[in-house]
Order: sequence, then structure tokens, then C-alpha cells
Amino acid sequence: QKEVEQNSGPLSVPEGAIASLNCTYSDRVSQSFFWYRQYSGKSPELIMSIYSNGDKEDGRFTAQLNKASQYVSLLIRDSQPSDSATYLCAVIPSGAGSYQLTFGKGTKLSVIP
Amino acid sequence: DADVTQTPRNRITKTGKRIMLECSQTKGHDRMYWYRQDPGLGLRLIYYSFDVKDINKGEISDGYSVSRQAQAKFSLSLESAIPNQTALYFCATSDPGTGGDEQYFGPGTRLTVT
Repeated sequence: QKEVEQNSGPLSVPEGAIASLNCTYSDRVSQSFFWYRQYSGKSPELIMSIYSNGDKEDGRFTAQLNKASQYVSLLIRDSQPSDSATYLCAVIPSGAGSYQLTFGKGTKLSVIP
Repeated sequence: DADVTQTPRNRITKTGKRIMLECSQTKGHDRMYWYRQDPGLGLRLIYYSFDVKDINKGEISDGYSVSRQAQAKFSLSLESAIPNQTALYFCATSDPGTGGDEQYFGPGTRLTVT
């Protein structure tokens, strides 16, 4: 079974610090990777997508992908209390059902004022 | 107005009742999905549809059925609700034409089966 693994946390960082969220996946030939933010009781909100090795920056967010290591991460610079949420890593695996998004269980981030 | 809407937002029902959850979207996307989310289990795919004539089972389709009435509407039915179907249900849409098939979620329906 194709899996996506995340540390459940909680990850606590002080306001203004860099939060680093990590995700590993089992399907070596996965091509599409996403980070969603989910506030408690709310729906997942897409914040980043990344498809090729390297870094992709969008404002305070940077996604990093290393396909050789089957590892994708999300960095949040200048963390704010409003960033406190659960962050879901999602992967579209290859092969049959390759359009189905597989989610990790999420990492809960707490930004301390 | 929200691009993806779900009705009802909250529902309490009794074991054995039939219930329908509805999803509508104005994004113009062909692909629509139903997920459920349970604490500790994450998001799991129930059914998905790539167009009006295409319906596919996801990871956990037992006990559920769906109907794609139009490009913009995708309904999920629980024919005979049971307590372990208590969960948060999300509809999502995507457009593979964007290149990445990014999925966008509705606000969710909180379903409680007593």
C-alpha cells in the first residue's frame, strides 16, 4: 500500500521562528506533491504544490522536494500564531489510481506568541 | 460566494436512516471527490468522478453510494446509516488541465449517527 508518513506532532515553535514540517512517501515514482493547511473543524486549504526536485517558494512558505530520498518538506518562515494548524502532506502516486490523492495524517503546528 | 459548497453543514441522524450529502461547485472542474475524515485516520477517499458518466470507488466505498447529477453536482448517500459512519465529510474538485490536478475542498459536513 502506498503510504505518506508525517510526524503527528505537536510541533511547537516561537513566533518569528522557522517551522519545518517533514513528509516521506513510499511510492518511489510519485510525481505530484501537495501541502494543505487545516484549521480545527475546517476544510483542508491548498497552500503549496511541487512537482520537481528542489525548492519552491511562495511568500513565507517554501516547499522542498527530494525524490531520491522520497522526502518532501514545508518551511514556514517568520511563523505567526495564525499559522497554528494541522499541515497535511499529500501525494499523487504512480500507476493504477495515479489520480488519487494519498494524504498523510498531518502534523499539528503550534506557534507560541 | 464559495466555489465549492456542501449541504447540510451539520446533520444528526439515527441508525438505519437514509441520508444524502450534497456538493455543488462553480469552479467548472470536471473531477469531483468525496472524502471522510476521522480523528487519527486522516482523509480517506470514498468515491470519485471524472465526469458525469464516470463514477469510481475509492478506498472505503462500502456503505456509500454516489450520484453525479451534473458537472457541478455530486451527491453522497448513506443508504442505512450506522454509528461508525460518524465523521467529517468533504467534497473536493480538481482540474487536471492545471497540470497538477490540485484538489480544492468544500467546507465539510459534520455527520453524527446515533
